[in-house]
Amino acid sequence: AQSVTQLDSQVPVFEEAPVELRCNYSSSVSVYLFWYVQYPNQGLQLLLKYLSGSTLVKGINGFEAEFNKSQTSFHLRKPSVHISDTAEYFCAVSFGGATNKLIFGTGTLLAVQP
Amino acid sequence: EPEVTQTPSHQVTQMGQEVILRCVPISNHLYFYWYRQILGQKVEFLVSFYNNEISEKSEIFDDQFSVERPDGSNFTLKIRSTKLEDSAMYFCASSTGPGTEAFFGQGTRLTVV
Repeated sequence: AQSVTQLDSQVPVFEEAPVELRCNYSSSVSVYLFWYVQYPNQGLQLLLKYLSGSTLVKGINGFEAEFNKSQTSFHLRKPSVHISDTAEYFCAVSFGGATNKLIFGTGTLLAVQP
Repeated sequence: EPEVTQTPSHQVTQMGQEVILRCVPISNHLYFYWYRQILGQKVEFLVSFYNNEISEKSEIFDDQFSVERPDGSNFTLKIRSTKLEDSAMYFCASSTGPGTEAFFGQGTRLTVV
């Protein structure tokens, strides 16, 4: 079955520290991978995407992610976080097909502390 | 920058009533979606719409739900006979097709009382 797993429901981190948010997926077909951010009481904003090409993708706000096909992972990283990065982060995967629907992970709350 | 717009931002309705959530997708997009996020939970796919018909729907999208593209710009989600458990944030999204990113609206928070 196709699925997306975010093992960490919450990641506390101090300001200016590095962070990695983990995302794994299960699929036997090619995938398209996305990270979305949701600030409190707001909608979903695309951080970055992997569609093809280089496995290291850079997004907005200094975030980057690396697609690892053998590990079926797409972990999100930032070398130095800010208080303003506090938000819910969702990994999402499109497993191809005609509709391009997204399957979302359960989300990781990044809590940046001063 | 083009964006997906949703109205209203908040909707409170009595249990058993019908609601219509409205969305204006990005103008050159061809694929339209509705997703739902119950408070504190993950975002769930409801339905996709292409070429004036439903292309895929989830188990959640039963006979209580329907979608329509009444004109060239709007995309609506109708929920009949609302239940308490329909309370959620509903997101509309659109894309140009498979292998492209989906753009999401800001959502409609539906509260059924």
